[in-house]
Amino acid sequence: QTVVTQEPSLTVSPGGTVTLTCASSTGAVTSDYYPNWFQQKPGQAPRALIYSTSNKHSWTPARFSASLLGGKAALTLSGVQPEDEAEYYCLLYYGGAVVFGGGTKLTVL
Amino acid sequence: QVQLVESGGGVVQPGRSLRLSCAASGFTLSTSGMHWARQAPGKGLEWVAVIWYDESRKNYADSVKGRFTISRDSSKNTLYLQMNSLRAEDTAVYYCAKSPGGGSGWDFQHWGQGTLVTVSS
Repeated sequence: QTVVTQEPSLTVSPGGTVTLTCASSTGAVTSDYYPNWFQQKPGQAPRALIYSTSNKHSWTPARFSASLLGGKAALTLSGVQPEDEAEYYCLLYYGGAVVFGGGTKLTVL
Repeated sequence: QVQLVESGGGVVQPGRSLRLSCAASGFTLSTSGMHWARQAPGKGLEWVAVIWYDESRKNYADSVKGRFTISRDSSKNTLYLQMNSLRAEDTAVYYCAKSPGGGSGWDFQHWGQGTLVTVSS
């Protein structure tokens, strides 16, 4: 069974920078895995931030960026704002299916 | 603008069936891949199914394969998820989501607000 692993929780100070990662149990993540990133706040539907590794949607704030880093997909928030406190999910493609990571709870403190 | 509105959720007994709908506006379904995903109460997201923009592919998560069917009605611009042989572990908020045009059908873009399905006797 394929497992996508994210940090369960991270804490960052306002104005700081934090990187969330997304690892695959099958090995190094590449662009062929079409990494996607989502933000979800309590009681709300998920909101897509990034698709196909590093492409932003029109509504994605400039402080969000994504890349491949050390065999993982990575989402970096620079100049973190209080409203960035949320759960973040990644998603990877596995030949006919996609799998979500378990999510990272980001606390801005 | 793009809008996705799910409906059809409710309380259903184990073993019974339910059909979810996702009414799309602001675009036509024939131009985008569409997904269903779900989220059990207090849990993370789980992908359920995808239908390609031209209906050439329909794929399912192993957990629902053989029980759920994804389809669409282009005349109504509506996506469906037929759920049969429901189990308690299917209890979740079900979301439909659209892929970006021109990108991979495996990417996600717009999400609906979700509809809650509760499987309980």
